[in-house]
Amino acid sequence: GESVGLHLPTLSVQEGDNSIINCAYSNSASDYFIWYKQESGKGPQFIIDIRSNMDKRQGQRVTVLLNKTVKHLSLQIAATQPGDSAVYFCAENMGDMGRRALTFGSGTRLQVQP
Amino acid sequence: SAVISQKPSRDICQRGTSLTIQCQVDSQVTMMFWYRQQPGQSLTLIATANQGSEATYESGFVIDKFPISRPNLTFSTLTVSNMSPEDSSIYLCSTLGTSGNNEQFFGPGTRLTVL
Repeated sequence: GESVGLHLPTLSVQEGDNSIINCAYSNSASDYFIWYKQESGKGPQFIIDIRSNMDKRQGQRVTVLLNKTVKHLSLQIAATQPGDSAVYFCAENMGDMGRRALTFGSGTRLQVQP
Repeated sequence: SAVISQKPSRDICQRGTSLTIQCQVDSQVTMMFWYRQQPGQSLTLIATANQGSEATYESGFVIDKFPISRPNLTFSTLTVSNMSPEDSSIYLCSTLGTSGNNEQFFGPGTRLTVL
């Protein structure tokens, strides 16, 4: 079947290494950011979020960094596992300013080599 | 988090026909969103559907092509009308979480192929 992310940039890492996926956003008014993971044949799955009043947030094996000065967001995955292989999207919105729907970035395909 | 189901999961349709996609949420939600994901691409918002009001469409999407219904707080439909091969995409239903943080949860998607 057709796969998500056929034409997306690809990051290939070895199992056990750390992964860093980057995202640039354009709307300086955005105040809420999310990272999603999408596996083939599935809808996007929420990973971690961050508000614009923070520059770092940690979850289980994942860390999101936000640099509002250069409008850059990154997702760090520690000790990457084969199950982390998927397409990763950043998304943003201005939730408190009325635009509740998310705007998605272009996505990065993560391939984990065993 | 909300649990969202969609029907059908996939379909292959002939050009000129229409397909209605159903989205069911396991809890009452005010806002529902419909997205399109073209092959190898990111997600693009089609429209926002609030119960009791007309759907709000994004630039490039019109009601005649993508009519939406929102009859209650747990259900919505998106119709892809007069289909052409360019409509071949994954169509995703989404809703906001209840934590107040604006995170969105997605259904599994409907994979549409138009011949």
